[in-house]
Amino acid sequence: NAGVTQTPKFQVLKTGQSMTLQCAQDMNHEYMSWYRQDPGMGLRLIHYSVGAGITDQGEVPNGYNVSRSTTEDFPLRLLSAAPSQTSVYFCASSYPGTRNNEQFFGPGTRLTVL
Amino acid sequence: KQEVTQIPAALSVPEGENLVLNCSFTDSAIYNLQWFRQDPGKGLTSLLLIQSSQREQTSGRLNASLDKSSGRSTLYIAASQPGDSATYLCAFCSGSARQLTFGSGTQLTVLP
Repeated sequence: NAGVTQTPKFQVLKTGQSMTLQCAQDMNHEYMSWYRQDPGMGLRLIHYSVGAGITDQGEVPNGYNVSRSTTEDFPLRLLSAAPSQTSVYFCASSYPGTRNNEQFFGPGTRLTVL
Repeated sequence: KQEVTQIPAALSVPEGENLVLNCSFTDSAIYNLQWFRQDPGKGLTSLLLIQSSQREQTSGRLNASLDKSSGRSTLYIAASQPGDSATYLCAFCSGSARQLTFGSGTQLTVLP
């Protein structure tokens, strides 16, 4: 049971490039979400999903797209990277009936946009 | 919109001291509260989860409380150790999709 996995661990992009951050979980969790963490700030919600085929926007969705074609995977796409998207990105998952929705986090992806 | 505040932002204590970290929130319509630990450059480790109907949870030297009426939660660490040095984050779960709203964290340093 690997839990929540994220790839890559580190990434450097140039402004305008696109990329996809991968997130996968093997716990059959319905809920998955993406957060970003910036220095001196807590984590902020980007997008979330309550199940395959269902996604919605969080607090800071601009510049990011998501899709949820399977229960296991929830990729985050940056279509045209900007320096303001330099951050650490965390994926999380939870199951509503498990310990009252305790959320489990991946190890993070550290992204730098030059 | 839920707002979460953690004070102090940083705390330094000698080893063996008992300490309290504070977290306040503006919206009492929460589903649960989680306290996390984050080591430098690492991900988040869940420490304690308190359901909305509960007032406290304990795990080893850690005790977390929840007072919805006052909009406050505290994390009590007994007999602190250098290995407790980390950033501690509180997060409130609310909404139909159980989204988390995080505080900005308290950076704890326990001096040997």
